[in-house]
Amino acid sequence: DAEITQSPRHKITETGRQVTLACHQTWNHNNMFWYRQDLGHGLRLIHYSYGVQDTNKGEVSDGYSVSRSNTEDLPLTLESAASSQTSVYFCASRPPNRGNRETQYFGPGTRLLVL
Amino acid sequence: KNQVEQSPQSLIILEGKNCTLQCNYTVSPFSNLRWYKQDTGRGPVSLTIMTFSENTKSNGRYTATLDADTKQSSLHITASQLSDSASYICVVREGGGNKLTFGTGTQLKVEL
Repeated sequence: DAEITQSPRHKITETGRQVTLACHQTWNHNNMFWYRQDLGHGLRLIHYSYGVQDTNKGEVSDGYSVSRSNTEDLPLTLESAASSQTSVYFCASRPPNRGNRETQYFGPGTRLLVL
Repeated sequence: KNQVEQSPQSLIILEGKNCTLQCNYTVSPFSNLRWYKQDTGRGPVSLTIMTFSENTKSNGRYTATLDADTKQSSLHITASQLSDSASYICVVREGGGNKLTFGTGTQLKVEL
């Protein structure tokens, strides 16, 4: 069955280190998204991509970067991890728009702790 | 600023009882509203979607309503089960684009 996976599921790192979170989907969706989820906030968009070589900043993109070299993967990199980036990170993918009804399919999440 | 507010923040009910969760939004222009269920430690999963012209949508024991005039939606759960324990998130899509605004969710716990 097609799916979306994230790795690692849990990560502890130190302030200042570079961290990369992986996201892989097998639906062949062009659209992929990264969100963070924190207490007291709804899911907030970090970066998104509408296809290979396409990347765009979301509302909370500072300190994060993404790259899209193929359809299946959208890795999220924290250039220099900060304690404020302690959060749960969700990757999502979505098929092409047809009437704006298409749902996003979320991965299981990565819980990141920055010490 | 576009906002989605959900109430209550948390709710505890007994198994078999019904409950209703609320969502108020200020997103404009409006495209559609979706309810997600998020189990602990998992990603959100879509339950229902409603556009401007749809004022009710059911998915099993879940029934969502939408009043686009007052910008309110509700999610009604009938005959609750322990497996309904989860966070329920209301998400509104802005018209004319792909921007989504997420509510902070209602944490539901169903007890014996």
